[in-house]
Amino acid sequence: DQQVKQNSPSLSVQEGRISILNCDYTNSMFDYFLWYKKYPAEGPTFLISISSIKDKNEDGRFTVFLNKSAKHLSLHIVPSQPGDSAVYFCAASARTGNQFYFGTGTSLTVIP
Amino acid sequence: GAGVSQTPSNKVTEKGKYVELRCDPISGHTALYWYRQSLGQGPEFLIYFQGTGAADDSGLPNDRFFAVRPEGSVSTLKIQRTERGDSAVYLCASSRQGSAYNEQFFGPGTRLTVL
Repeated sequence: DQQVKQNSPSLSVQEGRISILNCDYTNSMFDYFLWYKKYPAEGPTFLISISSIKDKNEDGRFTVFLNKSAKHLSLHIVPSQPGDSAVYFCAASARTGNQFYFGTGTSLTVIP
Repeated sequence: GAGVSQTPSNKVTEKGKYVELRCDPISGHTALYWYRQSLGQGPEFLIYFQGTGAADDSGLPNDRFFAVRPEGSVSTLKIQRTERGDSAVYLCASSRQGSAYNEQFFGPGTRLTVL
C-alpha cells in the first residue's frame, strides 16, 4: 500500500515560470517530510524538508508547503531553470520510525 | 570524494545466481540504509543499520536477501538464488544518526539485472 503518492508522473514548465509539484500521504503518523531531486544515473539528493509543526519552509527558489488537514504537501520552484529538470521524489517519515517512505516521483522538464 | 559510494555500478547475473552489492558510507555516519528502486517507482526501504547491527530489517522481501555491516562502516547486501523480479536499482544511503529526521545521503546505486 503506497503511503506517499505523487499522482503526476511528469510536468513541463517554461523557464522562468513556477513549477508546482504535489504529494499526498495517508499515514497521519508522518511528521517529517522531504523532497529529493534525482538526475539520471545518480542517487537522490536532498533538496528541502519540513516538519509538521510548520506549514511552510523556504530555501532560495524552493518552497515547501504542508497542509496537514489535507495530508498534502507541495514543492514550488520559482523561477524554474533548465537545470531543475530532474525527477523529484517526496518522502515522509514518522518520529517512531527509522525509514523514509517515498512517492513514485514526478519528472520535471523545464523548457528553455 | 566524500560521498556514499556503491560498487559495482552495474551487475548482470543469471537467474539462480548469488550476488553481493557493496556500499561505502560517508565517514563517521553511524546509520546506513538500503533501498530498492524498481522501474517507475520510488525507493523502497529494505534495511537499516545503526552501527554494526540491523536495527530494522522489516523491508527485506524474503529470506533470500541478507545484509551485513560487520565493522560499522562498509555494508554488503547479499541476494541468494536471484530471480528476475529482483532486477532493480539498489540504493544505499547513510546519515549521521539513525533518526528519521536526519538527512540521508544517497549513493549512485547499483543497477542489478537478472536474466
